[in-house]
Amino acid sequence: AQSVTQPDIHITVSEGASLELRCNYSYGATPYLFWYVQSPGQGLQLLLKYFSGDTLVQGIKGFEAEFKRSQSSFNLRKPSVHWSDAAEYFCAVGAGAGGTSYGKLTFGQGTILTVHP
Amino acid sequence: KAGVTQTPRYLIKTRGQQVTLSCSPISGHRSVSWYQQTPGQGLQFLFEYFSETQRNKGNFPGRFSGRQFSNSRSEMNVSTLELGDSALYLCASSLGGTGTIFFGSGTQLSVL
Repeated sequence: AQSVTQPDIHITVSEGASLELRCNYSYGATPYLFWYVQSPGQGLQLLLKYFSGDTLVQGIKGFEAEFKRSQSSFNLRKPSVHWSDAAEYFCAVGAGAGGTSYGKLTFGQGTILTVHP
Repeated sequence: KAGVTQTPRYLIKTRGQQVTLSCSPISGHRSVSWYQQTPGQGLQFLFEYFSETQRNKGNFPGRFSGRQFSNSRSEMNVSTLELGDSALYLCASSLGGTGTIFFGSGTQLSVL
């Protein structure tokens, strides 16, 4: 069964500092990987996704993530955090090529990001 | 292009009642999935519909059901509500293959 682990429940950074949110997944085949962001009481907004190809993917709002198959990781990074980035971030894994569970995502527990001025 | 639309935005029910939530996917999307989000359990997959057929199902009791119409709009129903059903229910849509999955803003259900 697929699973996702986000080791950090809560991260606090200063505005302008760099950010890395960790995500480790377990999946038997080639996974599809996603990062979503959620503001309180809102839905999920897609930041970026990895399906295949270049292992460094660029997303919206200056975020990027790197897929490392050998480490089963898909960490999210941003070089300089803005106060508006404060939110909860979710890593998710979906069925990759050849899978049948296309619409089913398995989510990590989320990482809450606090940004100090 | 309109996003995934969920109605109603907020809902308050009492134990034992039933509730129906509605989801309109992005135009052209044939897959609709439903998720439950709670502080304790996080985001959990309920079920997915594709072309009016349930394609995948999560580990929830039979009180949770859904359906999809020919225009891809979907509804989910929860019967005999329990306090633990209080949650944010999120609907997501995609083209159905390996496309990106987009989420709506959710329906916040409170069971009193």
